[in-house]
Amino acid sequence: DTAVSQTPKYLVTQMGNDKSIKCEQNLGHDTMYWYKQDSKKFLKIMFSYNNKELIINETVPNRFSPKSPDKAHLNLHINSLELGDSAVYFCASSQDRGYGYTFGSGTRLTVV
Amino acid sequence: GDSVTQMEGPVTLSEEAFLTINCTYTATGYPSLFWYVQYPGEGLQLLLKATKADDKGSNKGFEATYRKETTSFHLEKGSVQVSDSAVYFCALSVPGNQFYFGTGTSLTVIP
Repeated sequence: DTAVSQTPKYLVTQMGNDKSIKCEQNLGHDTMYWYKQDSKKFLKIMFSYNNKELIINETVPNRFSPKSPDKAHLNLHINSLELGDSAVYFCASSQDRGYGYTFGSGTRLTVV
Repeated sequence: GDSVTQMEGPVTLSEEAFLTINCTYTATGYPSLFWYVQYPGEGLQLLLKATKADDKGSNKGFEATYRKETTSFHLEKGSVQVSDSAVYFCALSVPGNQFYFGTGTSLTVIP
């Protein structure tokens, strides 16, 4: 009964590959997010979805694309992976934008 | 614009020492304020929150008071334990707008 679950937990891949990270929440929240955390623990918001509509895109390269098949899922697709994409990616959800978040446990992406 | 500034780390304390991690904010509306904790290898967990001025959030021995006059939400704990070693994030939100995180403060507690 995990509230926000994301898979895989670890992902190691070569440069140039395309990969996806999946996220699901069972809290009935209206909004879901993707954050990138760098090696210095800095959190950068990438996307947020409210009722399946993209409402934030914070200057993320278009190699990154969120896909939300329904309110409970927000997947992250990354094309042509680069070394600089190595980071921990967190999915989160909230009842509405600006309310407290519930985070997933993170996906550590390593591009080699 | 809305933002959060928290003290830079890392912070290293001995067990049972007093902890303060400073956090100040800038907001145009009436924000809610949060502290999140990230233990090694895990995601962020909500530690405590306060939704209006003079509210005090508390959890697991940690406390923070929403001070509108000083635009601050400092995190305190009277006696830290080794198990408190983690990264702590201050955050604010204004309903309808984006959630803003601070840069995180790493805390290491040594026995």
